[in-house]
Amino acid sequence: DTGVSQDPRHKITKRGQNVTFRCDPISEHNRLYWYRQTLGQGPEFLTYFQNEAQLEKSRLLSDRFSAERPKGSFSTLEIQRTEQGDSAMYLCASSLPLAAQETQYFGPGTRLLVL
Amino acid sequence: AQSVTQPDIHITVSEGASLELRCNYSYGATPYLFWYVQSPGQGLQLLLKYFSGDTLVQGIKGFEAEFKRSQSSFNLRKPSVHWSDAAEYFCAVGPPGDSNYQLIWGAGTKLIIKP
Repeated sequence: DTGVSQDPRHKITKRGQNVTFRCDPISEHNRLYWYRQTLGQGPEFLTYFQNEAQLEKSRLLSDRFSAERPKGSFSTLEIQRTEQGDSAMYLCASSLPLAAQETQYFGPGTRLLVL
Repeated sequence: AQSVTQPDIHITVSEGASLELRCNYSYGATPYLFWYVQSPGQGLQLLLKYFSGDTLVQGIKGFEAEFKRSQSSFNLRKPSVHWSDAAEYFCAVGPPGDSNYQLIWGAGTKLIIKP
């Protein structure tokens, strides 16, 4: 068990560019979550998948944000036409729901800076 | 409105001293309650959680938390802190059941340890 991994760990981009982040969950976990965290705040939920199905996406911040999990394993989060306000830490978490005992395991995050 | 309040943005304690981090919530029903810790460069890690039953919950790394329904609180405690406990601590609440994506997070408390 290598935990949840995210790549890259840091990304600097210019306003207007597209960026894509990858998350590899713990191998047997069928749920995968994406969050955004800004300085001094807790995580803000964006979207989640169960296997390859995206079950909740209404809280993606705008239509510039999209996520995929095509084979039910790794996931990508893409931000198109980045804006300075997108600068934040993007967190991924995975879980294996077992009745009410679901625990999310978080990756280290990808820190995005938009110049 | 549903909310989680962590009244202390920063707390400084001496190594070996006791610790209490406060968490108050506003929620329509008795929620599930969580404490997470975030160390620099690392992912959020679950310290403990309360679903039901005994209101004093034991977690990892020597932490415990007590759910007080009458005060809508779920304060985190540790009898003797170690320098390695320096981190940011987040309280989160969510609806009973299988709905991790609906967690409401506090803004976090940064713990600073004095040698």
